Amino acid sequence: DAKTTQPPSMDCAEGRAANLPCNHSTISGNEYVYWYRQIHSQGPQYIIHGLKNNETNEMASLIITEDRKSSTLILPHATLRDTAVYYCIVRASNSGNTPLVFGKGTRLSVIA
Amino acid sequence: GAGVSQSPSNKVTEKGKDVELRCDPISGHTALYWYRQRLGQGLEFLIYFQGNSAPDKSGLPSDRFSAERTGESVSTLTIQRTQQEDSAVYLCASSLGATIPAGYTFGSGTRLTVV
Repeated sequence: DAKTTQPPSMDCAEGRAANLPCNHSTISGNEYVYWYRQIHSQGPQYIIHGLKNNETNEMASLIITEDRKSSTLILPHATLRDTAVYYCIVRASNSGNTPLVFGKGTRLSVIA
Repeated sequence: GAGVSQSPSNKVTEKGKDVELRCDPISGHTALYWYRQRLGQGLEFLIYFQGNSAPDKSGLPSDRFSAERTGESVSTLTIQRTQQEDSAVYLCASSLGATIPAGYTFGSGTRLTVV
């Protein structure tokens, strides 16, 4: 699976949009981009995934560039409860159930 | 149940003792994964089960670690002769299946402390 690069940490003011970037310049055509987050003392939580089209759900939006070499997770109105480590993971659709590999992620701090 | 359930939530054990950790996946989820997370560290993959196939044990750190799963239900992770470096949160996750890029649902973990 392709490697991802994320900034180690980011701050965001409460109520503002949090835009978390992820670089995956070696992504292949059949690889999906997944985002998870881990709030302190909890297990990781699935947020969203996409292949090439932008995706939106009740938690977030995922914007994937046309060349698919990078993506941005957007939390439109960040709250204090969104403070967490956010993981961007790239994984092939034919990986079956081979396990997700979690990198170091981005530690997002939402500030009041 | 509605989510992945793990028990116990906390376990303190003496060095050298065996421990057993339990995971109840979401009903209908054929895949089940165990991860370990040491304090301040990332998630380390340990083992995964897919239906009745042979499990992928490639992440188990030593032969003191083993896991079982009965069909597509409960899994137990056993650590024999525990060492202090085994202290960590042990996380279990389940997912739907092999042919779709399904998300994982994680449990809240078991915090193991070896004293």
